Amino acid sequence: KQEVTQIPAALSVPEGENLVLNCSFTDSAIYNLQWFRQDPGKGLTSLLLIQSSQREQTSGRLNASLDKSSGRSTLYIAASQPGDSATYLCAVNTGFQKLVFGTGTRLLVSP
Amino acid sequence: DADVTQTPRNRITKTGKRIMLECSQTKGHDRMYWYRQDPGLGLRLIYYSFDVKDINKGEISDGYSVSRQAQAKFSLSLESAIPNQTALYFCATSDLQEPGGPKTQYFGPGTRLLVL
Repeated sequence: KQEVTQIPAALSVPEGENLVLNCSFTDSAIYNLQWFRQDPGKGLTSLLLIQSSQREQTSGRLNASLDKSSGRSTLYIAASQPGDSATYLCAVNTGFQKLVFGTGTRLLVSP
Repeated sequence: DADVTQTPRNRITKTGKRIMLECSQTKGHDRMYWYRQDPGLGLRLIYYSFDVKDINKGEISDGYSVSRQAQAKFSLSLESAIPNQTALYFCATSDLQEPGGPKTQYFGPGTRLLVL
């Protein structure tokens, strides 16, 4: 059974810092891995999707990497801003778009 | 207007009551999903549907049922609600898989359910 773990569970940083969120999964047989952002009352928003054949994806200040063989992904946020404060979830696609989610990292960026 | 809407947004009910959570989408997607989120457990898949005639159980379907009334509508029912079904429920949609690989899912804002 696929299990997804995210570390740390919570993170508090001052504005401007670069930071890394970690995601690990137990079964490397995945189609893709996604990073989502969750804001209270607004559901989940997809940030980046990395196909299993890819090593990384970038969008603005966000960069996600994938090492399928070791079962790890990282989300790098450059020059963090207070508006980045949210919960970040990673999810692996195990087939037929059945997503298995991690428990999330709650990020707080202070001005 | 939001692409994926859920009603109600908040609901309080009592043990043993039947309730229905509704999801509608304007994205034209064939695939729809229901998840629940509990603190410390992440999101877990309850049911999913790839088209109007297709319904599949997810990881935690016991105590739930679904109805796909149309391409755009997917409802989740709790036949006899119990307190451990208190959670945040999300509906999601996605497009058919394309040659380039599976597409992302688009989530509604969630329904917060409290069962007393």
